[in-house]
Amino acid sequence: EAAVTQSPRNKVAVTGGKVTLSCNQTNNHNNMYWYRQDTGHGLRLIHYSYGAGSTEKGDIPDGYKASRPSQENFSLILELATPSQTSVYFCASGEGDNEQFFGPGTRLTVL
Amino acid sequence: QQKVQQSPESLSVPEGGMASLNCTSSDRNFQYFWWYRQHSGEGPKALMSIFSDGDKKEGRFTAHLNKASLHVSLHIRDSQPSDSALYFCAASDWAQGLTFGLGTRVSVFP
Repeated sequence: EAAVTQSPRNKVAVTGGKVTLSCNQTNNHNNMYWYRQDTGHGLRLIHYSYGAGSTEKGDIPDGYKASRPSQENFSLILELATPSQTSVYFCASGEGDNEQFFGPGTRLTVL
Repeated sequence: QQKVQQSPESLSVPEGGMASLNCTSSDRNFQYFWWYRQHSGEGPKALMSIFSDGDKKEGRFTAHLNKASLHVSLHIRDSQPSDSALYFCAASDWAQGLTFGLGTRVSVFP
C-alpha cells in the first residue's frame, strides 16, 4: 500500500519563528499536496505540486511556502509563524483524480 | 460559501443499522466525488469514488450520485463500531487537489 510519512508529528513553535514540515512518499506519485485541518473548516488545500521543482498555490497559501526538491519529498515552510497557523497539517500524494493517500498528520502549535 | 456542503454534521446509528450521509456541490466544474473516512488521530483514507450517475456499491458502503443536482450520498449498511469516524465528501476538478466538505461525524452505538 501507498506510504506517506510526515515529520515531525508534533511541533511547538514561537510566534515569528520559522517552521518546516516535511513529507516523504514512496508511491512514485507525481502530485503532492499540503492541507490543514481545523474544526469548522474541514480540510483546506494550502499548496500542491505536479512534480519535482514545481509548486502551486492552493486555496489558502498566504503565510506558507512550499518546496518540492524531488519526486519523494515535499516541504511546507512557515517563514514567520503566527498563532493562527496552529493546526493539524496533512500531506498527501496522488495522481490526477485517483485516490489521494494521506500521511498521519503533524500537529503544530504556535505560541 | 462552502463549495462542498455536507449534512448532517453528526449522526448516531445503532450497531447493525443504516447510516446515510449527504453531500451537495455548488460548482459544476467538479467531475469526480470521493468519500473519505478519518479515524481519530489518523489521516483521511479513501473509501470510494463515484463519477457516473447512479449507485456504486463496495461491500457495506453504497454511494449515489445525481450529476444534475450535484448531490452525492453515502449509505453504510450494517454499521459497525469501527465505522465510528469523521466522513468527508470531497470533489475534484483534477486541476488542483480536492475540495473537502466540513465532514459528518458518525457514532455507532451498541
